[in-house]
Amino acid sequence: GAVVSQHPSRVICKSGTSVKIECRSLDFQATTMFWYRQFPKQSLMLMATSNEGSKATYEQGVEKDKFLINHASLTLSTLTVTSAHPEDSSFYICSARMDRGGYGYTFGSGTRLTVV
Amino acid sequence: AQTVTQSQPEMSVQEAETVTLSCTYDTSESDYYLFWYKQPPSRQMILVIRQEAYKQQNATENRFSVNFQKAAKSFSLKISDSQLGDAAMYFCALTPGYGGSQGNLIFGKGTKLSVKP
Repeated sequence: GAVVSQHPSRVICKSGTSVKIECRSLDFQATTMFWYRQFPKQSLMLMATSNEGSKATYEQGVEKDKFLINHASLTLSTLTVTSAHPEDSSFYICSARMDRGGYGYTFGSGTRLTVV
Repeated sequence: AQTVTQSQPEMSVQEAETVTLSCTYDTSESDYYLFWYKQPPSRQMILVIRQEAYKQQNATENRFSVNFQKAAKSFSLKISDSQLGDAAMYFCALTPGYGGSQGNLIFGKGTKLSVKP
């Protein structure tokens, strides 16, 4: 089946530094990648949608300059949290859509980011 | 706007018993898909079952089945013969069908299911 590999699974960084999270589709081409943020005991909140070769579309309230998304190829999308602060600590999950129908959604295993 | 509502923050079921998780949704789309996802403590999102809105027949996957009431915009999940491994957070989700939208999943707030031995 379709697999999305997300790395790192956990990362601790110092306040003010940047962290990059990668999501790779291993056996399919992900034309669209969704990035979610999940707070403890809450649902997934869509941050942005990225399409290969074009700029990401950010949801209202999400800082574009803080959460940089790059989808340079059909198998790789990255989320970079720039100048991280403790309030950016959260669980980040990517999800790839394989087709335009409602069947092909595959999730990465998530990244727990802690900013100290 | 499209919304998904899960009115049960927590549910509990005895092992081997049956439990039903509720979900209602709102959309103006005529073509859409509905899902139930399971998120265990590992936090990996796992697809439990999906339903195409144009299909009248309720989807079934082994011990999991749905009661899809399109007119009422209701999409409940029934888990039969509950097992300890079913304990998780369950999210109901909606996405529009072909065309138009960017196709992201819209999630409900989730229902935490506990299974008692």
